[in-house]
Amino acid sequence: GENVEQHPSTLSVQEGDSAVIKCTYSDSASNYFPWYKQELGKRPQLIIDIRSNVGEKKDQRIAVTLNKTAKHFSLHITETQPEDSAVYFCAAPEYGNKLVFGAGTILRVKS
Amino acid sequence: GAGVSQTPSNKVTEKGKYVELRCDPISGHTALYWYRQSLGQGPEFLIYFQGTGAADDSGLPNDRFFAVRPEGSVSTLKIQRTERGDSAVYLCASSLGGGAVNEQFFGPGTRLTVL
Repeated sequence: GENVEQHPSTLSVQEGDSAVIKCTYSDSASNYFPWYKQELGKRPQLIIDIRSNVGEKKDQRIAVTLNKTAKHFSLHITETQPEDSAVYFCAAPEYGNKLVFGAGTILRVKS
Repeated sequence: GAGVSQTPSNKVTEKGKYVELRCDPISGHTALYWYRQSLGQGPEFLIYFQGTGAADDSGLPNDRFFAVRPEGSVSTLKIQRTERGDSAVYLCASSLGGGAVNEQFFGPGTRLTVL
């Protein structure tokens, strides 16, 4: 089955700086990698995803990169703002449907 | 449009009792997932429905847990003889079709507390 590891577990950055969160996965057949943002007491919300046929995807201040050879993908947030503070989860599919999630990264943006 | 909804938002019960948690997926979404999220952890898969049938129930921890989706829309997660270890947030998600390649939209969750 799929195994997803996420680092770091907590990340503090100054407002305006960049934040990078990394995940590794084990199943070379995995082909879809979403990132979810979860604010305290709220539902996880998809912020960006990438499929295995591309190496990078960008949406305004958020980007995701994928290295299929090394089986890792990363979330990049530029020009961080206080409202970016939340828990971020990466995930990868297992057997084509269910998602296996990383343990999460608590991002704190200090103003 | 309406997103995924779950009821109740909070449920407090006593050890040994039976509980039912309800999920209303986004209209037209044929795939429905249940996950469980413990404090400080990522969501953990429980069961996946494609239409009315449970396509994958490998994440259900034991036979006290059961889920149904009789008409291919609303789903109910049922927990018998609840234990304190069952306390968690139970999340439901839906997607357009089977396969994780479709974005999964999550509901707000039901926070279950077993005393």
